[in-house]
Amino acid sequence: EAGVAQSPRYKIIEKRQSVAFWCNPISGHATLYWYQQILGQGPKLLIQFQNNGVVDDSQLPKDRFSAERLKGVDSTLKIQPAKLEDSAVYLCASSLALAGRTGELFFGEGSRLTVL
Amino acid sequence: DAKTTQPTSMDCAEGRAANLPCNHSTISGNEYVYWYRQIHSQGPQYIIHGLKNNETNEMASLIITEDRKSSTLILPHATLRDTAVYYCIVRVDNAGNNRKLIWGLGTSLAVNP
Repeated sequence: EAGVAQSPRYKIIEKRQSVAFWCNPISGHATLYWYQQILGQGPKLLIQFQNNGVVDDSQLPKDRFSAERLKGVDSTLKIQPAKLEDSAVYLCASSLALAGRTGELFFGEGSRLTVL
Repeated sequence: DAKTTQPTSMDCAEGRAANLPCNHSTISGNEYVYWYRQIHSQGPQYIIHGLKNNETNEMASLIITEDRKSSTLILPHATLRDTAVYYCIVRVDNAGNNRKLIWGLGTSLAVNP
């Protein structure tokens, strides 16, 4: 079974530039999550989709971050303009339902962003 | 804010049991405890979860105290590949059946040969 796919794995940009990350969840998974993980910390939820609708985006910095899941499958997370403090690993996860009936989220390997 | 506290780091000898404690003294009656682990440069991996009863699967055992204020994850025979950061997480159920995992800082477990 294919896992959660993310790209790119690594990205280096200068501050004020823009960047986009792509995620393809496990087939059939209705719920998709984007997390931000700063070095040495646990993941922080940025946004949660159920199919193509947003369930929770309370911690998404909406002045610079945006995310979409237009057809209820793939998703993109964009940062524009980037700041130094956005340097982190951006993790995409999916589950069969809201936080999964068993609570099991399947994570991708993440996209590591470095902002200079 | 995280609802769990864990030791920052622990060591374990290969082949021995690893017992990872977690404190969740403010947990509510319907909130589950989950454990994930994250091996270096990989995404987190689900291990186990529970509400009140002890749970066991092919990866680990979860022991939850009767008052539910703490729990222990047990890896019965730790191997070098179990070296990872282990996160104890409380699942919060919000309005509209929205469930959210609240992550803390985790315990960095080093399994030594």
